[in-house]
Amino acid sequence: DAGVTQSPTHLIKTRGQQVTLRCSPKSGHDTVSWYQQALGQGPQFIFQYYEEEERQRGNFPDRFSGHQFPNYSSELNVNALLLGDSALYLCASSLSRSSGYTFGSGTRLTVV
Amino acid sequence: AQKVTQAQTEISVVEKEDVTLDCVYETRDTTYYLFWYKQPPSGELVFLIRRNSFDEQNEISGRYSWNFQKSTSSFNFTITASQVVDSAVYFCALIQGRDSNYQLIWGAGTKLIIKP
Repeated sequence: DAGVTQSPTHLIKTRGQQVTLRCSPKSGHDTVSWYQQALGQGPQFIFQYYEEEERQRGNFPDRFSGHQFPNYSSELNVNALLLGDSALYLCASSLSRSSGYTFGSGTRLTVV
Repeated sequence: AQKVTQAQTEISVVEKEDVTLDCVYETRDTTYYLFWYKQPPSGELVFLIRRNSFDEQNEISGRYSWNFQKSTSSFNFTITASQVVDSAVYFCALIQGRDSNYQLIWGAGTKLIIKP
């Protein structure tokens, strides 16, 4: 049973560009959350998708947007990249709050 | 307000020593879930344990044990006879919320260094 799959694993972008990160949830999970983790810090919640809608959002600007597809997979889009957007982006899937989250290995984004 | 506090930023011990990682939480919900995750240098967050607010029974899994005390809002994690492979950042987290509107609230993490 595959866990959470994220792609790509690494990415280098130039300041001002746009990036799309992808996530396939664990089989049977219907909720996807995205986190940003800067080096040496804990994960910061970006947003959560359930039934193809954004249900909750953390303290991130509108440059960060997302989408959830009918098969529960999800995309994270970041526009107008800043150097400070360089981080590990983690996707987590869950079925309910009691089940906890299964995390992917993350996408390491470097903005130069 | 909900909050998770891991006061220990970094702990360094010699292999085979026991070590306890502290976690204190705040929540207004009566129903909530607490978690510990391990993040090795590879970056992936590895699930260790889940505990619901109605189950205060302590748990032991091999060299790992967890002490949940609602009276002090703490959920501490102990590694017995530590090994170098235990070196990682450990996060304590809390889930609260209703229906589909829930999110993990994270502590800042404790970096554990096990010296050979």
